[in-house]
Amino acid sequence: QKEVEQDPGPLSVPEGAIVSLNCTYSNSAFQYFMWYRQYSRKGPELLMYTYSSGNKEDGRFTAQVDKSSKYISLFIRDSQPSDSATYLCASGNEKLTFGTGTRLTIIP
Amino acid sequence: ETGVTQTPRHLVMGMTNKKSLKCEQHLGHNAMYWYKQSAKKPLELMFVYSLEERVENNSVPSRFSPECPNSSHLFLHLHTLQPEDSALYLCASSQEFAVAGVPHEQYFGPGTRLTVT
Repeated sequence: QKEVEQDPGPLSVPEGAIVSLNCTYSNSAFQYFMWYRQYSRKGPELLMYTYSSGNKEDGRFTAQVDKSSKYISLFIRDSQPSDSATYLCASGNEKLTFGTGTRLTIIP
Repeated sequence: ETGVTQTPRHLVMGMTNKKSLKCEQHLGHNAMYWYKQSAKKPLELMFVYSLEERVENNSVPSRFSPECPNSSHLFLHLHTLQPEDSALYLCASSQEFAVAGVPHEQYFGPGTRLTVT
């Protein structure tokens, strides 16, 4: 079993839709959870960083962690074509374990 | 230059060649990382350096040899690679590796696209 599982997609949604991206993890000791966004031909950049369970909101983005089910989610409201990218979830403690990334396309 | 830079951006090498990837960070960070990114696979951590000392080596074959001469520069020396080593190699840096078990935000470079023929 992979430590962090993420559906690679691809996922295509129309502009303005709400996007839901999800990951599961297997190690109940993981305390820190991150979402990175990677544009084509670029390195990943940190989008959201959360500790333990709960929600964190930043503009159109909301990160949600449910430690009881070991489920991590990223919601994007009012999606824009500029949100088209690959989204990688990561979780861990000192060391992060990444998912495979989900490729997202927002269709104008 | 700002952020994390990597050279070359693209590299094609034969299995008998020796080449090096270079990474430089302009952020004043103390930790640097090498990752391998292959299609449909998770980002794989290869090596971590903290204050120029290697603190993590994730069972990486010896044909990959890292070098960290100072906190701003990181190299990955490559020799006798295999076609399955073709991937995007990403360098990252963070303020520290981890303090009291807390991971720091990592800043990534654009990567070197390596093709082994």
